[in-house]
Amino acid sequence: DQQVKQNSPSLSVQEGRISILNCDYTNSMFDYFLWYKKYPAEGPTFLISISSIKDKNEDGRFTVFLNKSAKHLSLHIVPSQPGDSAVYFCAASRVSTGANNLFFGTGTRLTVIP
Amino acid sequence: DVKVTQSSRYLVKRTGEKVFLECVQDMDHENMFWYRQDPGLGLRLIYFSYDVKMKEKGDIPEGYSVSREKKERFSLILESASTNQTSMYLCASSIHREGGYEQYFGPGTRLTVT
Repeated sequence: DQQVKQNSPSLSVQEGRISILNCDYTNSMFDYFLWYKKYPAEGPTFLISISSIKDKNEDGRFTVFLNKSAKHLSLHIVPSQPGDSAVYFCAASRVSTGANNLFFGTGTRLTVIP
Repeated sequence: DVKVTQSSRYLVKRTGEKVFLECVQDMDHENMFWYRQDPGLGLRLIYFSYDVKMKEKGDIPEGYSVSREKKERFSLILESASTNQTSMYLCASSIHREGGYEQYFGPGTRLTVT
């Protein structure tokens, strides 16, 4: 049972435009969310995170938005660059329960076209 | 910088062989994890460990075991490799940041079982 879902397996965006990657979750106990970026033949690297007490977190070109009522989060990349082409995974955890394992989505492959 | 290393980047084994995948982290993290990544399925947790000699089953532990004899080292063992265990295996360790835990990943081991 997939508790974290990324319904778009792929996304193509022109360089300089905004990339929006979406993620939905089903477990209302999740209270900490992360985005990871993965290049082929490499391990995922941490990108940005957000706690459930916030609805937005920004780091340079990357912004994560959290809508708790809709159980939805999104990652915005502005402006998109060719080096952003990778697979993006969203992940969720239940920190308040003491657990620190992550539940991952299935990933969205982003292609930024020069 | 956190460094998580895995013993092999690529491995080819025969059906029925016993396979050891080693992971070492250099940041004195208590928590370590083993995932497998398959197309369309994202990252799935196999086992994790909160401390030396402690282990917990993840979502897909069948056919695997783990060993944590030292804090920095977490080994994944395939007792009798099968072709459906052909996959990318990723090790991670985690640290607590503001709001939650952040996992750092190794480069992965691409295992092929023939």
